[in-house]
Amino acid sequence: EPEVTQTPSHQVTQMGQEVILRCVPISNHLYFYWYRQILGQKVEFLVSFYNNEISEKSEIFDDQFSVERPDGSNFTLKIRSTKLEDSAMYFCASSGGQGWQPQHFGDGTRLSIL
Amino acid sequence: KNQVEQSPQSLIILEGKNCTLQCNYTVSPFSNLRWYKQDTGRGPVSLTIMTFSENTKSNGRYTATLDADTKQSSLHITASQLSDSASYICVVSPFGGGSQGNLIFGKGTKLSVKP
Repeated sequence: EPEVTQTPSHQVTQMGQEVILRCVPISNHLYFYWYRQILGQKVEFLVSFYNNEISEKSEIFDDQFSVERPDGSNFTLKIRSTKLEDSAMYFCASSGGQGWQPQHFGDGTRLSIL
Repeated sequence: KNQVEQSPQSLIILEGKNCTLQCNYTVSPFSNLRWYKQDTGRGPVSLTIMTFSENTKSNGRYTATLDADTKQSSLHITASQLSDSASYICVVSPFGGGSQGNLIFGKGTKLSVKP
């Protein structure tokens, strides 16, 4: 069965550094998402992306965050200047279309900011 | 404020037993409700999706119910197996159709199935 793959599985970065998290969504999917989960807390929506532009974003997704689909297969989340509170598990997800299509999640990238 | 609350926080049952997990939500307007299973260290996996007009939906040993009037849902697991040990997350979409963005997640119920 097709999967969403995320790399790296664990990223350790110094505070203030830029970090790029990478995702390869399922190939025929059209909608792409990033979520984060701080240890012990709920999964939180960050951003959704469709037709090469952001369709929705949460309050968490401020100017330090950006997303890009640089080619036909990758979907990236960039954090420009990381803060300690950015430490979390970041999940990428994709879905096949509108309506009630399930979102398929990757296994996440654990981001640790030192 | 849009919220999704789940109970219990954690649950331990013996293999072969049934269990029911609860979800209450205050999301409005409501589009659909989803249940996900999340194994430790893995991403969530979709179990069921229900719109406001659906009362029940099954996926193998998992049966979800929805009462859109009282804003409650439950997930019933039948004949539990050791592999059912995971967190079960109730997720509500506040929008109708479209990109399905901005899903509201509950904290999950951590289920442990013991032999």
